[in-house]
Amino acid sequence: SQKIEQNSEALNIQEGKTATLTCNYTNYSPAYLQWYRQDPGRGPVFLLLIRENEKEKRKERLKVTFDTTLKQSLFHITASQPADSATYLCALDGGANNLFFGTGTRLTVIP
Amino acid sequence: DTAVSQTPKYLVTQMGNDKSIKCEQNLGHDTMYWYKQDSKKFLKIMFSYNNKELIINETVPNRFSPKSPDKAHLNLHINSLELGDSAVYFCASSFGTGYDQPQHFGDGTRLSIL
Repeated sequence: SQKIEQNSEALNIQEGKTATLTCNYTNYSPAYLQWYRQDPGRGPVFLLLIRENEKEKRKERLKVTFDTTLKQSLFHITASQPADSATYLCALDGGANNLFFGTGTRLTVIP
Repeated sequence: DTAVSQTPKYLVTQMGNDKSIKCEQNLGHDTMYWYKQDSKKFLKIMFSYNNKELIINETVPNRFSPKSPDKAHLNLHINSLELGDSAVYFCASSFGTGYDQPQHFGDGTRLSIL
């Protein structure tokens, strides 16, 4: 069965630094991968989508890479701010827009 | 205007009861979903509906039944609630069933079984 792992349950970084979150998957070849942000007590919010034929996608301070050989996606937040503190989830397509989610990484940006 | 809204936000009930959670979206989407997020924050798809037809039905107990009166609503009915049903349930919606459609989530219903 598909297995999706996000590198660490929690990540603390200093404000202004770049946060890098990792999403690894096995037993699967997704056509696309999505990243979501979830704040406590709220639903996930879509951030970025990257397709299997794309190496990199950017949106403001966010950057996502997708390496289908390594079966890995990296999610970067540059110039991090305390407001970026949240849980970040990667999700892979399971066909018919069925998404399989990773367990998430809780990011804390320390002022 | 809230895009995807769920009611109630909190639901506390006893084992064996039957309960429903309502979901409405005003985004004009034609696909809606229900997810379960357990205590370890793992989010798992339960159902999806496209144009009022069930297109995904993961291995959830048949005590759970989605009901869609129209494409803007997807309600979740749960019979004979069990302790293990305690979780946060999220409704979501998207355009179609293409591979590149972001999903929009509600803020969840926290279900606690006593």
